Amino acid sequence: KQEVTQIPAALSVPEGENLVLNCSFTDSAIYNLQWFRQDPGKGLTSLLLIQSSQREQTSGRLNASLDKSSGRSTLYIAASQPGDSATYLCAVFSGNTGKLIFGQGTTLQVKP
Amino acid sequence: DAMVIQNPRYQVTQFGKPVTLSCSQTLNHNVMYWYQQKSSQAPKLLFHYYDKDFNNEADTPDNFQSRRPNTSFCFLDIRSPGLGDAAMYLCATSRDRRQTQYFGPGTRLLVL
Repeated sequence: KQEVTQIPAALSVPEGENLVLNCSFTDSAIYNLQWFRQDPGKGLTSLLLIQSSQREQTSGRLNASLDKSSGRSTLYIAASQPGDSATYLCAVFSGNTGKLIFGQGTTLQVKP
Repeated sequence: DAMVIQNPRYQVTQFGKPVTLSCSQTLNHNVMYWYQQKSSQAPKLLFHYYDKDFNNEADTPDNFQSRRPNTSFCFLDIRSPGLGDAAMYLCATSRDRRQTQYFGPGTRLLVL
């Protein structure tokens, strides 16, 4: 059974700092992995999708990496801003159905 | 422009009174998903439609049903809501399975 873990559960950093969010999964036979952002009381915003054949994906200040063999993905945020404050969720695609298995998320606070 | 729309954004119902949540999409995607997210928890897949094919998760209670009358719309019916069904209900779509999922803003359900 696939399990997804995100550490730390919460993170507070000063504005301008570069930071890394971690995601690990127990079954390395994943298809794709997707990172999301969720603001309080809101839906999920897709940030990046990494296909299983890829090692990394970039979008603006965000860079996500994937190491299937070690069961890990990281989300790198450059030059953090207060507007980046949110909960970040990673999710892996399980099986053939497109079902996403989510981690519990990392709640990020960027202080001005 | 909104791509995945959920109505209503907030729904209050009474214990045992049936409720229907609505999701529509302008992306013409084949797959539509319903997730349940309880407070401070990760989203959990309830079921999904691949085109007209309904796929139920094994642990989804019988109390939850879904309808997809056409490509654009999908409904979540809760036949007899209990207090434990209070949650955020998230609708998502993707072009095909294991491709990027796009989420709506969610409907927060309160059961009195």
